[in-house]
Amino acid sequence: DIQMTQSPSSLSASVGDSVTITCRASQNIRRYLNWYHQKPGKAPELLIYAASRLQSGVPSRFSGSGSGTDFTLTITSLQPEDFATYYCQQSYRTPYSFGQGTKLEIK
Amino acid sequence: QVTLRESGPALVKSTQTLTLTCTLSGFSLTTSGMCVNWIRQPPGRALEWLARIEWDDAKNYTASLKTRLTISKDTSKNQVVLTMTNMDPVDTGTYYCARQTGIGAVGDAFDVWGQGTMVSVSS
Repeated sequence: DIQMTQSPSSLSASVGDSVTITCRASQNIRRYLNWYHQKPGKAPELLIYAASRLQSGVPSRFSGSGSGTDFTLTITSLQPEDFATYYCQQSYRTPYSFGQGTKLEIK
Repeated sequence: QVTLRESGPALVKSTQTLTLTCTLSGFSLTTSGMCVNWIRQPPGRALEWLARIEWDDAKNYTASLKTRLTISKDTSKNQVVLTMTNMDPVDTGTYYCARQTGIGAVGDAFDVWGQGTMVSVSS
């Protein structure tokens, strides 16, 4: 099975800051990497698919990069609605797997 | 508008079987490439993928729960059903269903999720 490891597990930032979250796969997953965010009490929402493609309706301050085993999610000019938990997920093969999550909190 | 809606019991007892239904709207599992997945999330913890069913009835399960899970579809009702046997308090959490379209690069991601249904297991 493919293991996904995110870092950091938590992160404090201020509105207007830029942040980067990393995700590492235990084996080569090419670009089959997706990013979601989840607000308390809500279902996850797709932000980025295929490592770097922005899902329709997602603001351009979100961007993704990487391939193979190492990936990053960058959020520029943080807005109040961006404070949430972020998950990476590999869709290279089943069983699909998620990272453990990164909680982005307001400083 | 594409939506998924989970339904099922909020409370089950240990050793009982859980049956959850995901009702699809705005799309059909008869469409080539379409899949529906089940994912769960224990309180305060990370997401865990459980199972997937494809348009052609192919099925995949997470290995650790494979003996306890069954996923099926009823295309006439536009529903996907997940059963989990021998429930335990550690199975407490929110259960989500999510769509994969299998179309283009976005097709590999879970592009639309249900709102989730919370299941508590009592000992």
